Amino acid sequence: QEQLVQSGAEAKKPGASVKVSCKASGYTFTSYYMHWVRQAPGQGLEWMGVINPSGGSTSYAQKFQGRLTMTKDTSTNTVYMELSSLSSEDTAVYYCARGPNGMDVWGQGTTVTVSS
Amino acid sequence: QSVLTQPPSVSAAPGQKVTISCSGSNSNIGNNYVSWYQQLPGTAPKLLIYDSNKRPSGIPDRFSGSKSGTSATLGITGLQTGDEADYYCGTWDSSLGGGDWVFGGGTKLTVL
Repeated sequence: QEQLVQSGAEAKKPGASVKVSCKASGYTFTSYYMHWVRQAPGQGLEWMGVINPSGGSTSYAQKFQGRLTMTKDTSTNTVYMELSSLSSEDTAVYYCARGPNGMDVWGQGTTVTVSS
Repeated sequence: QSVLTQPPSVSAAPGQKVTISCSGSNSNIGNNYVSWYQQLPGTAPKLLIYDSNKRPSGIPDRFSGSKSGTSATLGITGLQTGDEADYYCGTWDSSLGGGDWVFGGGTKLTVL
């Protein structure tokens, strides 16, 4: 069955970077875009950006321009989301979700905690 | 402030019907399909409606979606206690020149 499995929880210091992985299985990896969405504690869903695993093109929300990088590895059917210059405001659960129109498969979420 | 506006909360009794609105503009809902998501506490969101009014396989027909102009609506009939969750609408938005995905702020459904 179609599945997205994300890497485990991360604890980071302010100013550091975090890289979260999302491994796809059960479908043709290059046929679907992959979104990244985050949710701060007690808050709503926030879209971060999207990557096309076929060619690697990306589109990032303006808020994250300059410190967000999405990449893909077609040999392992994995996409990566790297966020740099972390602050406490980046503490959230990060999700990958298959797109592009309607996010129909979601990863289980990766908790990233930023604290000194 | 979210680009898409949803009511913070709605409530209804078991067995009743509820609707959740999602208001946007021509740069998002007016020219794009809308999708709806259900998020139960402590879990990842789940797709309920895509292309404004289509249900993925496995989603009961108690859930329906519609769109008119720059607004969309999620309808839930035959409410069950298990429907208590947060609901989000989402769509593409072109107001910043490119293509950004936007979510509504979310609506908490309480089944009394």
